[in-house]
Amino acid sequence: DAGVTQSPTHLIKTRGQHVTLRCSPISGHKSVSWYQQVLGQGPQFIFQYYEKEERGRGNFPDRFSARQFPNYSSELNVNALLLGDSALYLCASSFSNEQFFGPGTRLTVL
Amino acid sequence: QKEVEQNSGPLSVPEGAIASLNCTYSDRGSQSFFWYRQYSGKSPELIMSIYSNGDKEDGRFTAQLNKASQYVSLLIRDSQPSDSATYLCAVLMDTGRRALTFGSGTRLQVQP
Repeated sequence: DAGVTQSPTHLIKTRGQHVTLRCSPISGHKSVSWYQQVLGQGPQFIFQYYEKEERGRGNFPDRFSARQFPNYSSELNVNALLLGDSALYLCASSFSNEQFFGPGTRLTVL
Repeated sequence: QKEVEQNSGPLSVPEGAIASLNCTYSDRGSQSFFWYRQYSGKSPELIMSIYSNGDKEDGRFTAQLNKASQYVSLLIRDSQPSDSATYLCAVLMDTGRRALTFGSGTRLQVQP
């Protein structure tokens, strides 16, 4: 079975721009979570969606938004990019408690 | 106080030795605990989950949980150079929100 997929792999943007990151969960998994990981830190929770409903939101500004589609894939949108948004963005899918991560999208903001 | 704490390391062990990685957490109501392995430049990979007090073994890995002491550990037996990575402890806290809270990770170096 295919694992979690994310696109794009890498992305370079400039301050003020917006970005859309995409994630497809493992087949049969209905929950998708988004995390941000900066160098030297563990992943930080951004959002969780289950059955297209937002189930949780982390301590991130309103510039961050997400949604989940009927096929359970998900998008993370970030507006008005700041230099500090440079990070590895991870998507995780889950069926129960265990969460499985995709390869991530490396975002660089210049 | 951080919610999930790990020693950042690096923890250096010789090949064939037992590596012991530790983690403490603050939320006494937490019920689910996970260890992830992350190679440099890669995403975290789930290697162990544990939900009950005691030990859980899977191959060369043993997870240990002590809820009274709010302590989780991971033992890696017969450590191999390929085990060199950062190990992340993650806790599903009792907040009603199904989000993992991670420690900052412990970097393990296995010396050949």
